[in-house]
Amino acid sequence: GAVVSQHPSRVICKSGTSVKIECRSLDFQATTMFWYRQFPKQSLMLMATSNEGSKATYEQGVEKDKFLINHASLTLSTLTVTSAHPEDSSFYICSASGKDTSNYGYTFGSGTRLTVV
Amino acid sequence: DQQVKQNSPSLSVQEGRISILNCDYTNSMFDYFLWYKKYPAEGPTFLISISSIKDKNEDGRFTVFLNKSAKHLSLHIVPSQPGDSAVYFCAASEGGAQKLVFGQGTRLTINP
Repeated sequence: GAVVSQHPSRVICKSGTSVKIECRSLDFQATTMFWYRQFPKQSLMLMATSNEGSKATYEQGVEKDKFLINHASLTLSTLTVTSAHPEDSSFYICSASGKDTSNYGYTFGSGTRLTVV
Repeated sequence: DQQVKQNSPSLSVQEGRISILNCDYTNSMFDYFLWYKKYPAEGPTFLISISSIKDKNEDGRFTVFLNKSAKHLSLHIVPSQPGDSAVYFCAASEGGAQKLVFGQGTRLTINP
């Protein structure tokens, strides 16, 4: 079945530094990748949608200059949290959708726990 | 504006019995609904989905029911097993947009 690999699984960084999170589709071509954020005991909130080779589409309220998304190939998308602050601490999850969307079975990565100290 | 709502934050069910998780939505343009299971510090795992042209979809122990007039869907798990203990999210998408709107989740605990 479709597998999405996300890493790192957890990262601790100092305030003011940048952190990159990778999301890879291992056995299918991901034409679209989605980045979500989950606060403790809350829902998953979509941050942005990225299509291979084009600029990401950000949801309202998400700062595109702070959360840089790159989808340079059909198997890799990255999210870079720039100049991270403690309020950016959260659980970030990517999902990927392939060319065959007949089952809408979006596959999710395992998530990244970001802690900014 | 919470377009997808799971009003029960938690549910406890005895092993072997039926678990019923509920989800309501407000956006009548949603045409595809999914249920995911999630463990702490892991990504969601797809369970079952249903298109708005159907009112029921079954896959093994999991059945999803959709009531469009009430804008309500439910996930039935029968029989419930201890391994079913997790947080369950319902999600919805609109018009092939593929991006998902999630509910808040319901923590299901199956008691032996």
